[in-house]
Amino acid sequence: DAKTTQPTSMDCAEGRAANLPCNHSTISGNEYVYWYRQIHSQGPQYIIHGLKNNETNEMASLIITEDRKSSTLILPHATLRDTAVYYCIVRGYEWDSNYQLIWGAGTKLIIKP
Amino acid sequence: DAGITQSPRHKVTETGTPVTLRCHQTENHRYMYWYRQDPGHGLRLIHYSYGVKDTDKGEVSDGYSVSRSKTEDFLLTLESATSSQTSVYFCATQGAGEQYFGPGTRLTVT
Repeated sequence: DAKTTQPTSMDCAEGRAANLPCNHSTISGNEYVYWYRQIHSQGPQYIIHGLKNNETNEMASLIITEDRKSSTLILPHATLRDTAVYYCIVRGYEWDSNYQLIWGAGTKLIIKP
Repeated sequence: DAGITQSPRHKVTETGTPVTLRCHQTENHRYMYWYRQDPGHGLRLIHYSYGVKDTDKGEVSDGYSVSRSKTEDFLLTLESATSSQTSVYFCATQGAGEQYFGPGTRLTVT
């Protein structure tokens, strides 16, 4: 699986959009970009994933560049509860197949009042 | 969220004692995983299972064994606990495309 590069930490004001970047320059054609977050001491939580098109769900939006070498997770209206470590992971996808996720250190996002 | 529970949630044990952590799921997912997480690090895979009685090693499997006798249960055993196994342990299952995680077990080996 391809590796990813994320900033160590970021701050964002409450109510503003939080934009978390991720570089994955060695991503291959069949690999998806996944985002998870981990709020202090809890298990990681799935946020969103995408292949090449931009994706949006109730939690966030995912913008993937045309060359797929980088992506941005957008939390449109950050709240204090969004303070967490955010992980960007790339991996292949086949139905009912095993996926060994490779977890980096992620980005520590701090939402400030 | 997938129905994943872990027990115990906290445990303190002495070096050299055996320890078993339990993961229980209610989603009938085929794949299950055990990870450990240490301060300042991402999750590292210990073992995983792709069906009843079918398991395989992950990145950091030394000192750990697993068993899966039922779809819903995945056990992680430390045969003889060491201080280096002090960590937070997370269980996960594989859904349609994403992994769902349990609340974690904080294990301290003294």
